[in-house]
Amino acid sequence: NAGVTQTPKFRILKIGQSMTLQCTQDMNHNYMYWYRQDPGMGLKLIYYSVGAGITDKGEVPNGYNVSRSTTEDFPLRLELAAPSQTSVYFCASSYFQGANNQPQHFGDGTRLSIL
Amino acid sequence: AQSVSQHNHHVILSEAASLELGCNYSYGGTVNLFWYVQYPGQHLQLLLKYFSGDPLVKGIKGFEAEFIKSKFSFNLRKPSVQWSDTAEYFCAGNTNAGKSTFGDGTTLTVKP
Repeated sequence: NAGVTQTPKFRILKIGQSMTLQCTQDMNHNYMYWYRQDPGMGLKLIYYSVGAGITDKGEVPNGYNVSRSTTEDFPLRLELAAPSQTSVYFCASSYFQGANNQPQHFGDGTRLSIL
Repeated sequence: AQSVSQHNHHVILSEAASLELGCNYSYGGTVNLFWYVQYPGQHLQLLLKYFSGDPLVKGIKGFEAEFIKSKFSFNLRKPSVQWSDTAEYFCAGNTNAGKSTFGDGTTLTVKP
């Protein structure tokens, strides 16, 4: 199994540009997550989804949008890139049903620089 | 609001030393707790998890953690660290709704 696949691995954007970070998982997980990881700051939850068609804001959603049209895919969109969005972005997925709260599986990350 | 805090930002040990990394959580109800490890340049991987039952949980690579409800703690331990344990360690908690919160991480450096 591929697990969680993120593309691209690296990207440099100019201020004001837009882009979509892709994330797909092949484990039939219902929950998917987007995090950003800044140096020394741990992981901050941007958005998450509990299933196809359902998304919700995390801790730091401003400047981002997501959609979940299928179980497998959970793209993250930056509409107007700002230097503050320079970070490493991780997508994750997990299976959750009631009290059966399984750990998250992470992608390899996307390193994004806004100049 | 739910939160997870890790006490140590950076820990430096010599090989064969014992390790304990602190983690405290603040949740209103039932909580599932996890420790993840991130080796340099890699993504996060699960070390161990606690859902219920025995408060002492054992994970991969000789790590264990103890859930102490009265102290709201879930500290990670290893009796004897190796150079290959150099990594960043994250404590995380999930509510029954599946939403997760991560601590800021602890960087462990093991000197050979």
